[in-house]
Amino acid sequence: DAGVTQSPTHLIKTRGQQVTLRCSPKSGHDTVSWYQQALGQGPQFIFQYYEEEERQRGNFPDRFSGHQFPNYSSELNVNALLLGDSALYLCASSLKAGTSRNEQFFGPGTRLTVL
Amino acid sequence: GIQVEQSPPDLILQEGANSTLRCNFSDSVNNLQWFHQNPWGQLINLFYIPSGTKQNGRLSATTVATERYSLLYISSSQTTDSGVYFCAVEVGGFKTIFGAGTRLFVKA
Repeated sequence: DAGVTQSPTHLIKTRGQQVTLRCSPKSGHDTVSWYQQALGQGPQFIFQYYEEEERQRGNFPDRFSGHQFPNYSSELNVNALLLGDSALYLCASSLKAGTSRNEQFFGPGTRLTVL
Repeated sequence: GIQVEQSPPDLILQEGANSTLRCNFSDSVNNLQWFHQNPWGQLINLFYIPSGTKQNGRLSATTVATERYSLLYISSSQTTDSGVYFCAVEVGGFKTIFGAGTRLFVKA
């Protein structure tokens, strides 16, 4: 049973560039959430996708956007990169949000460095 | 918004010792999970525990939802238990809030 996968593993960009990160959910899952984890901190919720729509958003600017495809995989896009966007980006998948068992499973993350 | 506080922030144990990690949350939650983050950043599921008590080997967890706290017990700690332990709560059905974590180091 394949778990949550993310690509790429590492990425180096310069300020002002744009980046796209990818996530494939665990088999059988239909909901994908994205998190940003700065060094030494807990993950911060960016947004969640279900049925190809953004259901909930955390306190992140519009430079952060996403997409979910019919096969439930998802992309996170960040425009106009800032130095402060350097972080580990984590993707989590779960069954339909709001059900009685919404356990999240995380991928290995993409480590983004902005120079 | 809801506040999630974990204690202690740092913990150093001798191999074989027992420990209790605590997670307090300021409002009602839909569910609660405990994770262990290894040195490579992978978050490993430990417990999905919105209420009650669960055990898995040397680890166990208890959530008292009415009093808004959860406890993670680690018994007979091993060096491989080192890492960061996070408590995460789901609010409003879709948003998950993590605590700041407890950094555990187990000495051989």
